[in-house]
Amino acid sequence: AQSVAQPEDQVNVAEGNPLTVKCTYSVSGNPYLFWYVQYPNRGLQFLLKYITGDNLVKGSYGFEAEFNKSQTSFHLKKPSALVSDSALYFCAVRGSPNDYKLSFGAGTTVTVRA
Amino acid sequence: DSGVTQTPKHLITATGQRVTLRCSPRSGDLSVYWYQQSLDQGLQFLIQYYNGEERAKGNILERFSAQQFPDLHSELNLSSLELGDSALYFCASSVGSVEKYFGPGTRLTVT
Repeated sequence: AQSVAQPEDQVNVAEGNPLTVKCTYSVSGNPYLFWYVQYPNRGLQFLLKYITGDNLVKGSYGFEAEFNKSQTSFHLKKPSALVSDSALYFCAVRGSPNDYKLSFGAGTTVTVRA
Repeated sequence: DSGVTQTPKHLITATGQRVTLRCSPRSGDLSVYWYQQSLDQGLQFLIQYYNGEERAKGNILERFSAQQFPDLHSELNLSSLELGDSALYFCASSVGSVEKYFGPGTRLTVT
């Protein structure tokens, strides 16, 4: 079975500082990994994905994520956080090309203070 | 705006009742997925339809059912509602693309 862990319920950073949201995964086979963001009272918005190729993936709104196979991690990063980045972030994994459902982590609430 | 629409936005109903949630996927997307988001269970996959046929099932209760119609819109039917069914229900769609695009959700409150 596939699963994702987000070890931090909350991450607090000051505006302008780097932001990292951690994610580790467990899957048999090669993972398809995703990050989504959810703003209050909104649906989930796709940020980025890793399927294959370069371990550093660039996505929307200046976010990037680094795939590390040996550590089974897929941490989300942003070099300089904005107050508007405050939201709930979900990491998700899809275990195989023929398994289309996503397994989500519990989510990490990011608060960026001005 | 993801292009996925869901109605209604909010639904308040009593225990034992039945409700229907509706989802229209992005234009051209053949797959529709339903997810439930609750405080205690997080985001849980319920069911997937592809071009009118059920493709995969997740943690969907027997009291819940879904279908996808020829115009590709989907409905999620929840019956014999219990307090614990109160949650946000999301629909997502995709076609060929690996990522899914989520609708704004329907917030169901069972009283």
